[in-house]
Amino acid sequence: LAKTTQPISMDSYEGQEVNITCSHNNIATNDYITWYQQFPSQGPRFIIQGYKTKVTNEVASLFIPADRKSSTLSLPRVSLSDTAVYYCLVGDFHGSSNTGKLIFGQGTTLQVKP
Amino acid sequence: GAVVSQHPSWVICKSGTSVKIECRSLDFQATTMFWYRQFPKQSLMLMATSNEGSKATYEQGVEKDKFLINHASLTLSTLTVTSAHPEDSSFYICSAVRGYEQYFGPGTRLTVT
Repeated sequence: LAKTTQPISMDSYEGQEVNITCSHNNIATNDYITWYQQFPSQGPRFIIQGYKTKVTNEVASLFIPADRKSSTLSLPRVSLSDTAVYYCLVGDFHGSSNTGKLIFGQGTTLQVKP
Repeated sequence: GAVVSQHPSWVICKSGTSVKIECRSLDFQATTMFWYRQFPKQSLMLMATSNEGSKATYEQGVEKDKFLINHASLTLSTLTVTSAHPEDSSFYICSAVRGYEQYFGPGTRLTVT
C-alpha cells in the first residue's frame, strides 16, 4: 500500500477555493486515489475517487497528473461547515486480490474562517 | 449511498469488564468489514480485517485475544474489547466494503473508568 504525504493543516476563508495536495510517490499501477472527509467524533465520509486526469462530482474535483505521483483535491467556495480533516488514501480497490484495506495517513486539518 | 451503523454510539465501562460493539451494513451485504481505532487528534489506525465466515486478520501489534472480532453474517461484525483498561478508551470505527467503495460507520466512543 502506497504511503501518502499531506500538509498537516491549512487555513482558508469562506467562499475561497481550497486545494489540498497529496504526494504518493510509490503508487502502483493498479492503485486508485480516494479522499475522505472526517468531522470530529464521526466516521470518515467518502468525497471522491479517481485513477488519472480529472474527476469531478457535486462536492469536489480531483486532479491527477500523468505520473500519478501526486493528486490535488479541490473544494470550490468552501464554507465554515467544510472545516474538517481530509484524508488522501491510495490502494487497489478494484483488484480481486485486494479486500479494500485502507491505511490512513495523518490527514490535513482544514480550518475555514469567516 | 450505503449505510453502516454502529451500536452503541458511546459506552462507559469499568476496568476489567468486556464491551461488545456492533457494526451493521444496513442496505447491503458486506463480506469484508474493517475495524479502526482513533485516539484524540490522531488518524485512524487499522486494527483488523473482518471476513464473513472466517477468522479475522489482525494488524501487527493488535492483540487478537483482547480484541475479539466475529463476522457471523454478511451484515454484522462485532468487536469485543475484553478485560478493558483505561488505555483502551478510544473512538472505534468500523467500515464495510461494497464494490469499490468503503463505507464507514459513525463510530463508538469507549470510555473505560
